[in-house]
Amino acid sequence: QVQLQESGPGLVRPSQTLSLTCTVSGDSISSGRYYWSWIRQPAGKGLEWIGRFYTSGDTNYNPSLKSRVTISVDTSKNQFSLKLSSVTAADTAVYYCTKGGGYGDSDYWGQGALVTVSS
Amino acid sequence: SYELTQPPSVSVSPGQTASITCSGDKLGFKYVCWYQQKPGQSPVLVIYQNTKRPSGIPERFSGSNFVNTATLTISGTQAIDEADYYCQAWDSSTGVFGTGTKVTVL
Repeated sequence: QVQLQESGPGLVRPSQTLSLTCTVSGDSISSGRYYWSWIRQPAGKGLEWIGRFYTSGDTNYNPSLKSRVTISVDTSKNQFSLKLSSVTAADTAVYYCTKGGGYGDSDYWGQGALVTVSS
Repeated sequence: SYELTQPPSVSVSPGQTASITCSGDKLGFKYVCWYQQKPGQSPVLVIYQNTKRPSGIPERFSGSNFVNTATLTISGTQAIDEADYYCQAWDSSTGVFGTGTKVTVL
């Protein structure tokens, strides 16, 4: 059974960089068979796709966030990370990491990490 | 940018059929998946590749995708199906979510 767990600071100051890590168990990120993604959801609002990576090196980002987003991977720890720079209150959301199912879907989700941007 | 539009809400009586639409330009040429999200929980995949159900998803959930509209159908709706539902598709390697539909079982 695949499990994903987000971790990182729950409070980030405006203009700083939001950093989250997703730890994966039950599957190997380096297997190269799936995409691994970040998705967020502001309170009371819908889902927003942030970006994804493939261990082959292929990475895609939401054009609206692309200038501020970096997704990286540490295969030795079976983790992948999200960095979002120059955050504002609009970046306050629950952030999810997910595993791709092979057809553009996300078949496994983490429990989500609430990140609040506030001074 | 590509957009997927869903009705904000759908109401259904227990045992009846709920249909949730997801509209987008030439959506029928793309793979669509659907997620169910209950309050305080992470989304759960209920349909992928337009029509397929993941293991463990009840048969009452089905999907279709033609021309510009994808539809999630819940047959014999139960109270436990009350949730928010989101469609998702891809456009130029960018993931796009629908606006979301709240299904209320009256």
